Amino acid sequence: AQTVTQSQPEMSVQEAETVTLSCTYDTSESDYYLFWYKQPPSRQMILVIRQEAYKQQNATENRFSVNFQKAAKSFSLKISDSQLGDAAMYFCAYRSEGTNAGKSTFGDGTTLTVKP
Amino acid sequence: NAGVMQNPRHLVRRRGQEARLRCSPMKGHSHVYWYRQLPEEGLKFMVYLQKENIIDESGMPKERFSAEFPKEGPSILRIQQVVRGDSAAYFCASSPRTGNYGYTFGSGTRLTVV
Repeated sequence: AQTVTQSQPEMSVQEAETVTLSCTYDTSESDYYLFWYKQPPSRQMILVIRQEAYKQQNATENRFSVNFQKAAKSFSLKISDSQLGDAAMYFCAYRSEGTNAGKSTFGDGTTLTVKP
Repeated sequence: NAGVMQNPRHLVRRRGQEARLRCSPMKGHSHVYWYRQLPEEGLKFMVYLQKENIIDESGMPKERFSAEFPKEGPSILRIQQVVRGDSAAYFCASSPRTGNYGYTFGSGTRLTVV
């Protein structure tokens, strides 16, 4: 079974600065997908960014980018120019491609605080 | 596009009662997933359904919990004879298919068992 580990329960960043959230995963599969989701205090889960394992190029969505290291099974999220609205809990998630495709496995989350 | 609709938003039940949580997936999405989130914890997979079929229920407790996604109508997560340990936020998500499609989540149902 796949596992997802987020080793930083809490992180903080100064507004306008850059922060990196860590995520590692364990899998024996070669094809899969990785995601970062954001859960603000409203509790609404929002997809932030996705990465296909077969792509070497790191995904980027505006101020959000990932550092995907397939060999190391690492998938970190970088938030540039942090804004107050980025404060939330961030979840890393893994989704299979093969026979067990469908469900996603989530990490336990990292709570990000943005200081003005 | 209304997104994923979950209701009720909050549900209070006494121990021993039944809880029914509803989820209408996003238009065009045929895959539905239920997750449970305990306070200050991550999301734990419960069940994955497509229309009229349970695809994966490996995360669902064997007793008291059941889920369905009928041909017509919303997906239902049913918890019979609730206990205090069932108190949690239950999230429904949908996707158009598997693969690199991320989930669209509902706002969740917070179940409190008193």
